Amino acid sequence: EIVLAQSPGTLSLSPAERATLSCTASQSLSSSTLAWYQQKPGQAPRLLIYGVSSRATGTPDRFSGSGSGTDFTLTISRLEPEDFAMYYCQQYDSSPPYSFGQGTKLEIK
Amino acid sequence: EVQLVESGGGLVQPGGSLRLSCAASGFTFNTYAMHWVRQAPGKGLEYVSAISSNGVSTYYANSVKGRFTISRDNSNNTLYLQMGSLRADDMAVYYCARRASYSKYWGQGTLVTVSS
Repeated sequence: EIVLAQSPGTLSLSPAERATLSCTASQSLSSSTLAWYQQKPGQAPRLLIYGVSSRATGTPDRFSGSGSGTDFTLTISRLEPEDFAMYYCQQYDSSPPYSFGQGTKLEIK
Repeated sequence: EVQLVESGGGLVQPGGSLRLSCAASGFTFNTYAMHWVRQAPGKGLEYVSAISSNGVSTYYANSVKGRFTISRDNSNNTLYLQMGSLRADDMAVYYCARRASYSKYWGQGTLVTVSS
């Protein structure tokens, strides 16, 4: 079972700043099988990134994903007010069940 | 437009059973694997179960194996999660989602409360 660890647990930044969120897998992902989601209170998760770096339809280009092996990053180049939310990474390597990280809360400083 | 609508949540006593449904529309249901994800109050996302497009292959998280059963009715475009021997730590919002891996399409969720 692959365990994902996200850091930091909480990230406090101001609008217009750059955000860097990390996701570390307990074992190397055999291919680009990592996704990122954004979730706001009372809402279902929203897919942002899949395949490590491919933006889902409708994802603004200020969001970018990178990484390989066990280390992955979601970068938000310039924070907008609507970007403050919870973020989860998910691996979908091999067969289900697939795991999520514990989440990073991005809050306004 | 792809739509996923969960139903069947509610209050159940510990040890009880509940069946969740997920009605799908706007896509060819029988060509997609589907899965369930849950979120306990104030907690993160947990992948619960998945099923192949034809219903032959099923997968479960260790936390629910032997107690939950995923199934689907492709003639009625509906996904199910039969939950049994429910415990306090099963209390969560349950979401259905398209595909078995990552998903752009999620339902709005249905709340399962386990309490005496």
